[in-house]
Amino acid sequence: KQEVTQIPAALSVPEGENLVLNCSFTDSAIYNLQWFRQDPGKGLTSLLLIQSSQREQTSGRLNASLDKSSGRSTLYIAASQPGDSATYLCAASYDSGGGADGLTFGKGTHLIIQP
Amino acid sequence: NAGVMQNPRHLVRRRGQEARLRCSPMKGHSHVYWYRQLPEEGLKFMVYLQKENIIDESGMPKERFSAEFPKEGPSILRIQQVVRGDSAAYFCASSAAGYSYNEQFFGPGTRLTVL
Repeated sequence: KQEVTQIPAALSVPEGENLVLNCSFTDSAIYNLQWFRQDPGKGLTSLLLIQSSQREQTSGRLNASLDKSSGRSTLYIAASQPGDSATYLCAASYDSGGGADGLTFGKGTHLIIQP
Repeated sequence: NAGVMQNPRHLVRRRGQEARLRCSPMKGHSHVYWYRQLPEEGLKFMVYLQKENIIDESGMPKERFSAEFPKEGPSILRIQQVVRGDSAAYFCASSAAGYSYNEQFFGPGTRLTVL
C-alpha cells in the first residue's frame, strides 16, 4: 500500500525565515510528485510538480526536491511571508501500468507565518 | 482560460436523498479525477475517468457511489441515499491527455452536508 507522510503536522515561524517542509513516500516507483497549498475552505493550488526523472523544481521563492532512492521530497520556502500561511500538501502519483493514476496525498503541514 | 469548475459549491441533503456533484475540466483536458476530503483527514482518491470510460475506481465505496464522464457535458459524481458519513468536501481535478507527467489541477470543491 502506497503511503505519503508529511512532517511536521504544524509549523509556526516568524516572518522572513527560510523553512523546509518534509514529505516521505513508501514506494520509490513514483511517476511524479506534486506540492499543493490549500487555504481554509478553499480548493488546492498546484505549486510545483517534479517528474520522476527530475531532482528539483523551482518557482519564485519555492524549491522542491525529489530523492527517489530515499523516498523523500522537501519543499523549501525562502523569506517566508504572512501570505504563505496555509496547509501544504504533498501528493505522489504512481503508474499502475496504464499511465499515471490518482494522487496519494499526505495529511499536510499547517503553516503559520507570524507577522 | 477558466480553471476546473465545480458546482454546486455547497450542497445540503437530508439522509436518504441523492447528491449530484458536477465537474467541468479545464479546456483541453480529457482526464478527470474525484477526491474526497473528510473532516480532519487527508484527501483520498476516489475515481479516475476519461471521456466515456472509468479508468480506475479503486477508491470508490462499493455501494451508493457512481461516477460518469460523458462524451458531452461535465463529469458527474452521484451519491445515492446519502448518510451523515458522506458529509465531506469533494474535489475534482483534471489533467491533459498526451502529457507524460499528469499534472493535476483542482477545482474549488463541493462541500456536502448531510442532515
